[in-house]
Amino acid sequence: DGGITQSPKYLFRKEGQNVTLSCEQNLNHDAMYWYRQDPGQGLRLIYYSQIVNDFQKGDIAEGYSVSREKKESFPLTVTSAQKNPTAFYLCASSIAAGYSNQPQHFGDGTRLSIL
Amino acid sequence: DAKTTQPPSMDCAEGRAANLPCNHSTISGNEYVYWYRQIHSQGPQYIIHGLKNNETNEMASLIITEDRKSSTLILPHATLRDTAVYYCIVRVGPQEAGNTPLVFGKGTRLSVIA
Repeated sequence: DGGITQSPKYLFRKEGQNVTLSCEQNLNHDAMYWYRQDPGQGLRLIYYSQIVNDFQKGDIAEGYSVSREKKESFPLTVTSAQKNPTAFYLCASSIAAGYSNQPQHFGDGTRLSIL
Repeated sequence: DAKTTQPPSMDCAEGRAANLPCNHSTISGNEYVYWYRQIHSQGPQYIIHGLKNNETNEMASLIITEDRKSSTLILPHATLRDTAVYYCIVRVGPQEAGNTPLVFGKGTRLSVIA
């Protein structure tokens, strides 16, 4: 079945280390997104990419980096510059305008914790 | 910032209808109302959307007031599996949205009680 795969489901990091979260989709969607969610809060946009080799900062991009070398993949790196990285990270994708009623499809998230 | 206002939490008895309100008094003429829900530790799941007419699908019904300043999501026979956070989102519709991100507020935490 088509969908979005985020791995791993749980991730632990030592302070000062960079860590990369994986997001893969086989929906042939053009755009991909990364959100961060803290306990009891809504989702906040980190980065998004509308096409391959292009991406834009969201509301909270500081301390994060992304790449979009392939249509199906949009990895997120949490760098040591991110001072409070413990959170639930969600990846989403969407198709071009007019082709679907559903704005975004979501993966099941990666929960990152600092040791 | 989110363009919608929702109550932070609601309870509903199992088997009864759950009515979740959403205020969107600044909605523009070309903006739709979308509903997503998020079950604990999972990604958000699309439920339904509408422009001005009432909509129904296999999951829920969406009632939009005539002035479009508010709407209600109705789960006709709530089950324990419907316990989740429900997000009401306002955005331009599928024909013109392009690939622009959704903006999420804090949503309503619905607890379905046996």
